[in-house]
Amino acid sequence: DAGVTQSPTHLIKTRGQHVTLRCSPISGHKSVSWYQQVLGQGPQFIFQYYEKEERGRGNFPDRFSARQFPNYSSELNVNALLLGDSALYLCASSLDGSSYNEQFFGPGTRLTVL
Amino acid sequence: AQTVTQSQPEMSVQEAETVTLSCTYDTSENNYYLFWYKQPPSRQMILVIRQEAYKQQNATENRFSVNFQKAAKSFSLKISDSQLGDTAMYFCAFMKLPNQGGKLIFGQGTELSVKP
Repeated sequence: DAGVTQSPTHLIKTRGQHVTLRCSPISGHKSVSWYQQVLGQGPQFIFQYYEKEERGRGNFPDRFSARQFPNYSSELNVNALLLGDSALYLCASSLDGSSYNEQFFGPGTRLTVL
Repeated sequence: AQTVTQSQPEMSVQEAETVTLSCTYDTSENNYYLFWYKQPPSRQMILVIRQEAYKQQNATENRFSVNFQKAAKSFSLKISDSQLGDTAMYFCAFMKLPNQGGKLIFGQGTELSVKP
């Protein structure tokens, strides 16, 4: 079975631009979470979606938004990019997002903001 | 707010030897999960082991085991018979219960190098 997939693998943007990152969960998984991992640090929780509804939000500005589609894939959007948004963005999927089900991570999208 | 601290930024171990990675956490919650994740250079985060706070018995998964000290809020990972493939970043993570938001709180990570 295919694991969590993310696209693109790498992305270079300039300050002020907008970016959309995509995630496809494991087949049968209905929950998707997004994390930001700045170089040299642990991942930080951004959002979780389950059945197309936002279930959790981390301490990120409103420039960050996300959505989940009927096929359970998800997009993370970041507006007005700042240099500090440069990071590895990880997507994780789980069966239903509850504590009891393991989160499986994708390989990430490396975003560089110049 | 919960915090997770890994005080060892880097560690190294000889192949076949045993190494212990440290993790402490701060929480006022009584029910939670603790995790160790491995992130190899390929970047894909992989779950190594999970511990439920209400279980006194330490979790084990083959060569990986934990020493969970709830009162001390300590959660160390022991890797026995280290292999070259164990070279990776290791992250300790916390999740409070109940948790419908799936939020994992990660430490800063420990970079482990296994040397031949």
